[in-house]
Amino acid sequence: DAKTTQPTSMDCAEGRAANLPCNHSTISGNEYVYWYRQIHSQGPQYIIHGLKNNETNEMASLIITEDRKSSTLILPHATLRDTAVYYCIGYHQFYFGTGTSLTVIP
Amino acid sequence: GAGVSQTPSNKVTEKGKYVELRCDPISGHTALYWYRQSLGQGPEFLIYFQGTGAADDSGLPNDRFFAVRPEGSVSTLKIQRTERGDSAVYLCASSLLGAVSDTQYFGPGTRLTVL
Repeated sequence: DAKTTQPTSMDCAEGRAANLPCNHSTISGNEYVYWYRQIHSQGPQYIIHGLKNNETNEMASLIITEDRKSSTLILPHATLRDTAVYYCIGYHQFYFGTGTSLTVIP
Repeated sequence: GAGVSQTPSNKVTEKGKYVELRCDPISGHTALYWYRQSLGQGPEFLIYFQGTGAADDSGLPNDRFFAVRPEGSVSTLKIQRTERGDSAVYLCASSLLGAVSDTQYFGPGTRLTVL
């Protein structure tokens, strides 16, 4: 089971990069790592996913270690609207955990 | 285009009653997922449909919970003899194929309160 572990909470100054870590040491070889975020009272929103290589899109970058046991989501210039709970999941098991509550501070 | 919609947005019921929660996935999406989320917790997986069939129902907590998707599009989550512990936000998501590289698109959820 690709259960993941994340820090409970993090703060980040507005305009700075937010780096959110995730450990997924039990992930299987063909299992993607997905990141979603959830803003209060809304459904989770997809951010990015990857398998082995680093990925970048308009929202974020995803850095996956070579052994695939951990990854880091990077929001390059955090804004107040990025305040949310961020979930890292291994896709097959749909296990969200409790995520990381990111607070962007003005 | 339209996203995933869920109705009702809020449902208040009494202990012991029966409730149905509806999910309309994105048109053309073959995979549909149900989760529930309690306050302060992440979404908890309940069931996953591929087309009309339940591909994985391992997350359903007991036999009071049942879900159907008879025509491979709209799904209904049914809860019998509701208990106060069933109070939560019930989330529905859909994805195009249900493949390992598929993105799930979530609806806004139905907030169920059992008095």
